Amino acid sequence: NAGVTQTPKFQVLKTGQSMTLQCAQDMNHNSMYWYRQDPGMGLRLIYYSASEGTTDKGEVPNGYNVSRLNKREFSLRLESAAPSQTSVYFCASSDLGGRAGDTQYFGPGTRLTVL
Amino acid sequence: AQSVTQLGSHVSVSEGALVLLRCNYSSSVPPYLFWYVQYPNQGLQLLLKYTSAATLVKGINGFEAEFKKSETSFHLTKPSAHMSDAAEYFCAVSDRTGNQFYFGTGTSLTVIP
Repeated sequence: NAGVTQTPKFQVLKTGQSMTLQCAQDMNHNSMYWYRQDPGMGLRLIYYSASEGTTDKGEVPNGYNVSRLNKREFSLRLESAAPSQTSVYFCASSDLGGRAGDTQYFGPGTRLTVL
Repeated sequence: AQSVTQLGSHVSVSEGALVLLRCNYSSSVPPYLFWYVQYPNQGLQLLLKYTSAATLVKGINGFEAEFKKSETSFHLTKPSAHMSDAAEYFCAVSDRTGNQFYFGTGTSLTVIP
Protein backbone atom coordinates (compact mmCIF):
# COMPACT_ATOMS: atom_id res chain seq x y z
CA ASN A 1 0.00 0.00 0.00
CA ALA A 2 1.65 3.20 -1.19
CA GLY A 3 -1.11 5.41 0.29
CA VAL A 4 -1.17 8.82 -1.41
CA THR A 5 1.51 9.50 -3.99
CA GLN A 6 2.35 12.79 -5.67
CA THR A 7 4.48 13.68 -8.66
CA PRO A 8 6.70 15.53 -9.12
CA LYS A 9 8.41 16.11 -5.76
CA PHE A 10 10.02 19.35 -6.89
CA GLN A 11 9.37 21.71 -9.79
CA VAL A 12 10.67 25.07 -10.92
CA LEU A 13 8.59 27.04 -13.42
CA LYS A 14 8.91 30.38 -15.12
CA THR A 15 6.06 32.86 -14.91
CA GLY A 16 3.41 31.99 -17.47
CA GLN A 17 4.32 28.34 -17.86
CA SER A 18 1.76 25.64 -17.21
CA MET A 19 2.02 22.34 -15.41
CA THR A 20 -0.04 19.57 -13.89
CA LEU A 21 0.53 18.08 -10.46
CA GLN A 22 -0.46 14.46 -10.23
CA CYS A 23 -1.96 12.66 -7.25
CA ALA A 24 -3.04 9.06 -6.83
CA GLN A 25 -4.34 7.02 -3.91
CA ASP A 26 -4.64 3.27 -3.58
CA MET A 27 -6.95 3.16 -0.55
CA ASN A 28 -10.20 3.18 -2.55
CA HIS A 29 -11.16 6.50 -0.96
CA ASN A 30 -14.07 8.52 -2.27
CA SER A 31 -12.88 12.04 -1.40
CA MET A 32 -9.70 13.77 -2.54
CA TYR A 33 -8.28 17.21 -1.80
CA TRP A 34 -5.63 19.66 -2.93
CA TYR A 35 -4.06 22.05 -0.41
CA ARG A 36 -1.31 24.60 -0.53
CA GLN A 37 0.93 25.29 2.44
CA ASP A 38 2.56 28.67 2.91
CA PRO A 39 4.60 29.86 5.89
CA GLY A 40 2.41 31.25 8.65
CA MET A 41 -0.80 30.38 6.83
CA GLY A 42 -1.22 26.69 7.49
CA LEU A 43 -2.95 24.58 4.86
CA ARG A 44 -5.52 26.17 2.62
CA LEU A 45 -7.90 24.14 0.52
CA ILE A 46 -7.70 24.77 -3.23
CA TYR A 47 -10.19 22.24 -4.60
CA TYR A 48 -11.76 19.04 -3.46
CA SER A 49 -13.64 16.13 -4.96
CA ALA A 50 -16.21 14.55 -2.68
CA SER A 51 -16.67 11.63 -5.04
CA GLU A 52 -15.68 10.47 -8.49
CA GLY A 53 -17.11 12.81 -11.08
CA THR A 54 -17.53 15.83 -8.80
CA THR A 55 -15.24 18.73 -7.95
CA ASP A 56 -15.77 21.85 -5.84
CA LYS A 57 -13.86 24.99 -5.05
CA GLY A 58 -12.14 25.46 -1.74
CA GLU A 59 -10.81 28.58 -0.11
CA VAL A 60 -8.22 29.58 -2.74
CA PRO A 61 -9.21 28.21 -6.19
CA ASN A 62 -8.15 31.14 -8.39
CA GLY A 63 -5.45 30.23 -10.90
CA TYR A 64 -6.02 26.49 -10.60
CA ASN A 65 -8.07 23.79 -12.26
CA VAL A 66 -8.61 20.18 -11.25
CA SER A 67 -9.62 16.92 -12.81
CA ARG A 68 -10.89 13.85 -11.00
CA LEU A 69 -9.74 11.41 -13.66
CA ASN A 70 -11.11 8.34 -11.89
CA LYS A 71 -11.55 7.20 -8.31
CA ARG A 72 -7.78 6.91 -7.80
CA GLU A 73 -6.46 10.06 -9.44
CA PHE A 74 -6.96 13.78 -8.85
CA SER A 75 -4.78 16.25 -10.75
CA LEU A 76 -4.16 19.95 -10.19
CA ARG A 77 -3.32 22.20 -13.12
CA LEU A 78 -1.73 25.62 -13.17
CA GLU A 79 -2.55 27.15 -16.55
CA SER A 80 -0.32 30.21 -16.30
CA ALA A 81 1.94 30.06 -13.28
CA ALA A 82 2.57 33.17 -11.18
CA PRO A 83 5.17 33.80 -8.45
CA SER A 84 2.31 33.94 -5.91
CA GLN A 85 1.77 30.23 -6.60
CA THR A 86 5.17 29.34 -5.18
CA SER A 87 4.20 26.97 -2.41
CA VAL A 88 4.16 23.41 -1.19
CA TYR A 89 1.19 21.49 -2.55
CA PHE A 90 -0.35 18.55 -0.72
CA CYS A 91 -2.85 16.07 -1.97
CA ALA A 92 -5.01 14.20 0.53
CA SER A 93 -7.75 11.60 0.48
CA SER A 94 -10.41 10.33 2.85
CA ASP A 95 -13.02 7.64 2.64
CA LEU A 96 -16.11 9.55 3.72
CA GLY A 97 -14.99 13.17 3.81
CA GLY A 98 -15.40 16.01 6.29
CA ARG A 99 -19.11 15.47 6.75
CA ALA A 100 -18.40 12.17 8.47
CA GLY A 101 -15.35 13.31 10.38
CA ASP A 102 -13.19 10.94 8.46
CA THR A 103 -9.41 10.99 8.66
CA GLN A 104 -7.48 12.54 5.79
CA TYR A 105 -4.34 10.86 4.51
CA PHE A 106 -1.70 13.09 2.99
CA GLY A 107 0.85 12.68 0.26
CA PRO A 108 4.49 13.80 0.67
CA GLY A 109 3.97 17.10 -1.13
CA THR A 110 5.23 18.90 -4.23
CA ARG A 111 7.53 21.87 -3.76
CA LEU A 112 6.84 24.36 -6.53
CA THR A 113 8.83 27.48 -7.23
CA VAL A 114 7.66 30.01 -9.83
CA LEU A 115 10.32 32.45 -10.97
CA ALA B 1 -17.18 29.00 7.49
CA GLN B 2 -15.53 26.99 10.21
CA SER B 3 -12.17 28.01 11.59
CA VAL B 4 -9.56 27.05 14.11
CA THR B 5 -7.14 29.30 15.95
CA GLN B 6 -3.83 28.02 17.21
CA LEU B 7 -2.33 30.27 19.86
CA GLY B 8 1.44 30.49 19.58
CA SER B 9 3.14 29.87 16.27
CA HIS B 10 6.28 28.69 18.11
CA VAL B 11 6.49 26.78 21.38
CA SER B 12 9.71 25.66 23.07
CA VAL B 13 9.88 23.15 25.90
CA SER B 14 12.67 21.33 27.65
CA GLU B 15 13.03 17.61 27.16
CA GLY B 16 10.88 15.89 29.78
CA ALA B 17 8.62 18.90 30.31
CA LEU B 18 4.89 19.14 29.65
CA VAL B 19 3.82 19.93 26.11
CA LEU B 20 0.70 22.09 25.72
CA LEU B 21 -0.40 23.25 22.28
CA ARG B 22 -3.57 25.32 22.12
CA CYS B 23 -6.43 25.12 19.65
CA ASN B 24 -9.78 26.91 19.71
CA TYR B 25 -12.48 26.30 17.14
CA SER B 26 -15.54 28.06 15.86
CA SER B 27 -18.39 25.89 14.78
CA SER B 28 -22.12 26.33 14.70
CA VAL B 29 -22.69 22.59 14.99
CA PRO B 30 -20.83 19.94 16.96
CA PRO B 31 -17.55 19.61 15.14
CA TYR B 32 -15.08 16.92 14.36
CA LEU B 33 -11.60 17.94 15.52
CA PHE B 34 -8.18 16.69 14.54
CA TRP B 35 -4.54 17.13 15.43
CA TYR B 36 -1.98 16.39 12.74
CA VAL B 37 1.82 16.40 12.96
CA GLN B 38 4.23 17.30 10.18
CA TYR B 39 7.88 16.37 10.35
CA PRO B 40 10.34 18.31 8.17
CA ASN B 41 9.85 17.77 4.44
CA GLN B 42 7.01 15.32 4.97
CA GLY B 43 3.26 15.26 4.64
CA LEU B 44 0.85 15.46 7.55
CA GLN B 45 -0.05 12.45 9.65
CA LEU B 46 -2.91 12.08 12.10
CA LEU B 47 -2.13 12.25 15.82
CA LEU B 48 -5.69 11.96 17.11
CA LYS B 49 -9.26 13.00 16.43
CA TYR B 50 -12.48 13.79 18.28
CA THR B 51 -15.74 12.53 16.80
CA SER B 52 -18.17 13.09 19.71
CA ALA B 53 -17.43 9.95 21.68
CA ALA B 54 -15.17 10.42 24.73
CA THR B 55 -14.12 14.03 25.34
CA LEU B 56 -10.59 12.95 26.27
CA VAL B 57 -8.95 11.52 23.20
CA LYS B 58 -5.71 9.56 23.26
CA GLY B 59 -3.48 9.51 20.21
CA ILE B 60 -0.18 8.18 19.05
CA ASN B 61 3.21 8.87 20.65
CA GLY B 62 1.71 9.65 24.07
CA PHE B 63 -0.32 12.67 22.96
CA GLU B 64 -3.85 13.37 24.11
CA ALA B 65 -6.40 16.15 23.71
CA GLU B 66 -9.53 17.15 25.57
CA PHE B 67 -12.65 18.51 23.89
CA LYS B 68 -14.20 21.29 25.98
CA LYS B 69 -17.39 22.55 24.44
CA SER B 70 -17.84 25.37 26.98
CA GLU B 71 -14.43 26.76 26.05
CA THR B 72 -14.59 25.75 22.33
CA SER B 73 -11.14 24.29 22.82
CA PHE B 74 -9.25 21.16 21.85
CA HIS B 75 -5.78 21.57 23.33
CA LEU B 76 -3.07 18.98 22.71
CA THR B 77 -0.91 17.75 25.59
CA LYS B 78 1.89 15.32 26.31
CA PRO B 79 3.21 14.83 29.85
CA SER B 80 6.88 14.52 28.93
CA ALA B 81 8.44 15.94 25.77
CA HIS B 82 10.89 13.89 23.77
CA MET B 83 13.40 15.18 21.25
CA SER B 84 11.55 13.30 18.52
CA ASP B 85 8.43 15.41 19.18
CA ALA B 86 10.02 18.42 17.47
CA ALA B 87 7.73 19.10 14.51
CA GLU B 88 4.91 21.31 13.24
CA TYR B 89 1.47 20.59 14.71
CA PHE B 90 -1.81 21.49 13.05
CA CYS B 91 -5.30 21.57 14.49
CA ALA B 92 -8.15 21.02 12.04
CA VAL B 93 -11.95 21.03 12.13
CA SER B 94 -14.77 19.72 10.00
CA ASP B 95 -18.48 19.64 10.71
CA ARG B 96 -21.47 17.62 9.78
CA THR B 97 -22.73 20.08 7.19
CA GLY B 98 -19.87 20.14 4.74
CA ASN B 99 -17.13 18.15 3.13
CA GLN B 100 -14.31 20.49 3.88
CA PHE B 101 -11.60 20.47 6.52
CA TYR B 102 -10.21 23.72 7.94
CA PHE B 103 -6.68 23.88 9.29
CA GLY B 104 -5.07 26.21 11.77
CA THR B 105 -1.88 28.06 10.96
CA GLY B 106 0.26 25.56 12.83
CA THR B 107 2.50 25.54 15.91
CA SER B 108 6.17 24.72 15.59
CA LEU B 109 7.38 22.74 18.61
CA THR B 110 11.04 22.89 19.60
CA VAL B 111 12.36 20.52 22.26
CA ILE B 112 15.44 21.73 24.10
CA PRO B 113 17.82 19.07 25.39
